[in-house]
Parts: sequence; structure tokens; C-alpha cells
Amino acid sequence: QQKVQQSPESLTVSEGAMASLNCTFSDGTSNNFRWYRQHSAKGLEVLVSIFSDGEKEEGRFTAHLNRANLHVSLHIREPQPSDSAVYLCAARNYNVLYFGSGTKLTVEP
Amino acid sequence: EAAVTQSPRNKVAVTGGKVTLSCNQTNNHNNMYWYRQDTGHGLRLIHYSYGAGSTEKGDIPDGYKASRPSQENFSLILELATPSQTSVYFCASGGRGSEVFFGKGTRLTVV
Repeated sequence: QQKVQQSPESLTVSEGAMASLNCTFSDGTSNNFRWYRQHSAKGLEVLVSIFSDGEKEEGRFTAHLNRANLHVSLHIREPQPSDSAVYLCAARNYNVLYFGSGTKLTVEP
Repeated sequence: EAAVTQSPRNKVAVTGGKVTLSCNQTNNHNNMYWYRQDTGHGLRLIHYSYGAGSTEKGDIPDGYKASRPSQENFSLILELATPSQTSVYFCASGGRGSEVFFGKGTRLTVV
């Protein structure tokens, strides 16, 4: 069973500064990882899916995967107040997604 | 466009009552999932299914049953609802290797 841990629990950044979120997982057999954004307990919006070691960029969102270190990160370039939300990391094992507990991001104007 | 529809969106139930949460997907995905979300826990997997007629236990199945009568429909059943089952429930569908799509969630309050 995959265990996913996210850090920090909450993060406050100023508008325009880089925001960095982290995720570690327990089982190295996962073959893909996703970052989701959730505004105020609403639906989940997938931001980036990454399947191999290295970097994957989707607009202002960049994911970095290092499977040897069981680590995936998300970097948000030039965050805006509208990016304030909960960010969830998920690891996929055998067609099942396992989620971390989330990072609450606040972007201050 | 991929679509996962949950009903109802909000539900108030009494302790000991039976609750059924329904999910419909038009994506022709084999896999469907039920999660619950509570503060500090992210999304936790309750039950999932690989196709019509199949159900599998997730990480927290106690107190819940699931039913997959067809490719499109996946239900979550609380036979005897308890206040600890007050939560937001999300249904999702996904194909082999494809993206997973989530419904908008059902807010369940058990009083």
C-alpha cells in the first residue's frame, strides 16, 4: 500500500514569488504521479502528471520526480492570489490513486 | 469531455439510516473509485471497481458497501450511517494508464 506524505502542511508566499511543495512516497513501484489543486473543498483540478524521472512543465506549474529518493515536488512560478488553494499529491499504483493530506497554499497580494 | 456525475450533491441523514451515494460516468472507463475527504487526511480510498460486477476494498472500507451494476454506475452504500461518516465523498473514473476524472463531490452530514 502506497503511503504519501506532503510538506509543508501550509505555505504562505507573496504574489510573484516561487512556491515549492513537496511529496514523498513509500513505495517505489508507482509508475505515475499527479498534482491536483482544490479550491475550497470543491472538485479536483489536475495540474501536472509525471511518469518518469526529471521535470514536467505545464504552464506555470513544474513537477520534478526523483524515484530513487521517493520524492516529487511541485513548483509554481509567479503565483497569484487565485492560486490560493489546497494542493494534493497523488501516486498511482496498479490503477489506484493514493493521496497525501495536502498543502494549503496562500498567495498574498 | 470526460464527465463524472455524483448525486446527491448534499445529503443529511439520520444515525442508523441507510444512505446511497450514486455516481455515473460517461467516459467508458473500466475503473471507478470512491474516496472520502476529511480535514487533515486528504482523500482516502473506500472502495473501487475494475468493471461491472466487481468491487474491491480500499484503505477504509469498514461501514461501507459498494455496487457496480454497470460500466457507467458505481454506488456507495452506508447501511447504518454514523456521525463519523460525515464527510465529503468523491467519485472518480479512470482507464488503464489514462487520466483519472473526479466528480464534484457529495457533502454528507449524519446527525
